[in-house]
Amino acid sequence: DQQVKQNSPSLSVQEGRISILNCDYTNSMFDYFLWYKKYPAEGPTFLISISSIKDKNEDGRFTVFLNKSAKHLSLHIVPSQPGDSAVYFCAASGGTSGSRLTFGEGTQLTVNP
Amino acid sequence: GAGVSQSPSNKVTEKGKDVELRCDPISGHTALYWYRQSLGQGLEFLIYFQGNSAPDKSGLPSDRFSAERTGGSVSTLTIQRTQQEDSAVYLCASSLREIYGYTFGSGTRLTVV
Repeated sequence: DQQVKQNSPSLSVQEGRISILNCDYTNSMFDYFLWYKKYPAEGPTFLISISSIKDKNEDGRFTVFLNKSAKHLSLHIVPSQPGDSAVYFCAASGGTSGSRLTFGEGTQLTVNP
Repeated sequence: GAGVSQSPSNKVTEKGKDVELRCDPISGHTALYWYRQSLGQGLEFLIYFQGNSAPDKSGLPSDRFSAERTGGSVSTLTIQRTQQEDSAVYLCASSLREIYGYTFGSGTRLTVV
């Protein structure tokens, strides 16, 4: 039962353009959502989060949008930089899972110079 | 230390052997999580320790897997009679309290041959 899904295993964008990574979830009890970034041979690092009481959270070049009715969230990176190339994981928590995070499969973002 | 430390970073073992993976969380972090990432998959929750509470073992895939956390600090994940499907990167994370404070280690890459 995959409660958090990232349907695009990879995304390639040009430097300076916008990157949009998508994530869908099925558990309506999830109330907190996060994005993590992972470079090869390193652990995931926290990027940005959003509570279910909001529909947008912005931090510099990174913005996360939450559409609760569609059970969908997205991460926008603008402008994209080559150093943003990494695997991005969407994660969610809440309900019976408590503080335990449920992760998506990840999306490999490649930003071309 | 400054971050979450995992050892070994790589482990190759023969099918049927037992392995122990170690995690040193950030000092003072009361919560400790084990996840694993199989090839092409997302992060799969294994087990969660919070302070002196009984651990949440609901993610352990079989009774060959066990984990303990001694003195509220170091944790050891043990896999008995390893199988080839156990091959994955095993990630440990710790947090003080808030979900966004999840800090991951670099992981142990386990290969069962």
